[in-house]
Amino acid sequence: GAGVSQTPSNKVTEKGKYVELRCDPISGHTALYWYRQSLGQGPEFLIYFQGTGAADDSGLPNDRFFAVRPEGSVSTLKIQRTERGDSAVYLCASSLEGVEGSGANVLTFGAGSRLTVL
Amino acid sequence: AQSVTQPDIHITVSEGASLELRCNYSYGATPYLFWYVQSPGQGLQLLLKYFSGDTLVQGIKGFEAEFKRSQSSFNLRKPSVHWSDAAEYFCAVVRYSSASKIIFGSGTRLSIRP
Repeated sequence: GAGVSQTPSNKVTEKGKYVELRCDPISGHTALYWYRQSLGQGPEFLIYFQGTGAADDSGLPNDRFFAVRPEGSVSTLKIQRTERGDSAVYLCASSLEGVEGSGANVLTFGAGSRLTVL
Repeated sequence: AQSVTQPDIHITVSEGASLELRCNYSYGATPYLFWYVQSPGQGLQLLLKYFSGDTLVQGIKGFEAEFKRSQSSFNLRKPSVHWSDAAEYFCAVVRYSSASKIIFGSGTRLSIRP
């Protein structure tokens, strides 16, 4: 697609429920990132994918968080047993994997999925 | 570990005045550096980037930034701000040339005084 698409844009859930957030990156972008942004803070790195594999998942806060990208395109961030502290805007971004300086590392962000855990 | 510091949480400037937003990074080698802007209710948009070469880089919307290795800084500037520049600004750093973990600062909120 023309941009990074994230769904849902807003999700309200109850504590303890399971949540899935979807990201559809720009066509042809092999790198995909998930970030979390709490109110008044900068985006906090969660995980990034190169193709289908998670190249770096060091930002996932605990084992309740999991992300997949089975076909190297769409990615789903999954949160189990949600807690109130999980409330934030979850941002997805994608980028080209290419020659240094040609476009690598230039992230294009989606509008985000705002998660509210009651 | 690499990190990014934006020492100013909130800045207010008058419309038409000049602007400088500070960013300092902590990393031994020259990283790749970015400035992003986030307007209310909108996604992050890239303003400019520095990979190598000329240390003064031009971006969109009339912004520029200067990389100063001796000060480990990458400050964002604009000679004359417009009311539409009111937003949150984030500096970011990445270590490697290929896609890798990009670390963001905590942001500076810019308000414009009419």
